Amino acid sequence: EDQVTQSPEALRLQEGESSSLNCSYTVSGLRGLFWYRQDPGKGPEFLFTLYSAGEEKEKERLKATLTKKESFLHITAPKPEDSATYLCAVQEAGNTGKLIFGQGTTLQVKP
Amino acid sequence: DGGITQSPKYLFRKEGQNVTLSCEQNLNHDAMYWYRQDPGQGLRLIYYSQIVNDFQKGDIAEGYSVSREKKESFPLTVTSAQKNPTAFYLCASSIDRYNEQFFGPGTRLTVL
Repeated sequence: EDQVTQSPEALRLQEGESSSLNCSYTVSGLRGLFWYRQDPGKGPEFLFTLYSAGEEKEKERLKATLTKKESFLHITAPKPEDSATYLCAVQEAGNTGKLIFGQGTTLQVKP
Repeated sequence: DGGITQSPKYLFRKEGQNVTLSCEQNLNHDAMYWYRQDPGQGLRLIYYSQIVNDFQKGDIAEGYSVSREKKESFPLTVTSAQKNPTAFYLCASSIDRYNEQFFGPGTRLTVL
């Protein structure tokens, strides 16, 4: 069964303390992996798409990487405004375009 | 501004009632989706549509219905057959089935 698992469930960091969020997946064939940020009570905001192992994408303090079995979202010198839930989703190869979402990692950055 | 709108933001329903959630997009996207989000769970796909006048069931379609009569609109009806409808409902769209999906602000439905 296709599955996406994110870890840790929750992460507390001090401002400036860098860390990584993990997204591991099992799908029969990967078309793409997507990262989103979600603030409480709002819809997810698109961050990155990764398509192949070895690919990296960056945006401000965030950097996403992809291997054959997992993806990492690295947060460098985070600020309190980076506090949010980060969602990972995989799209399997095929015609539906369906996304399978992980449960998310809730990040809290303290000043 | 281009984007996805959902209305209402909050919706209260009595047991036994059907309610319809609105989703509109002006991004000229072909594909539209409805997800349900419950605390501690990932987003789960209810219905999706890849083109006007066509839609398919997702993983949890029981108790829901949709229509796609216009490219811009994909309303979701939560029927009385849905046993546990209290949740946060998210609509999304993408240029086609293979590209990133963009989400609306969500509708929080509470059954009284």
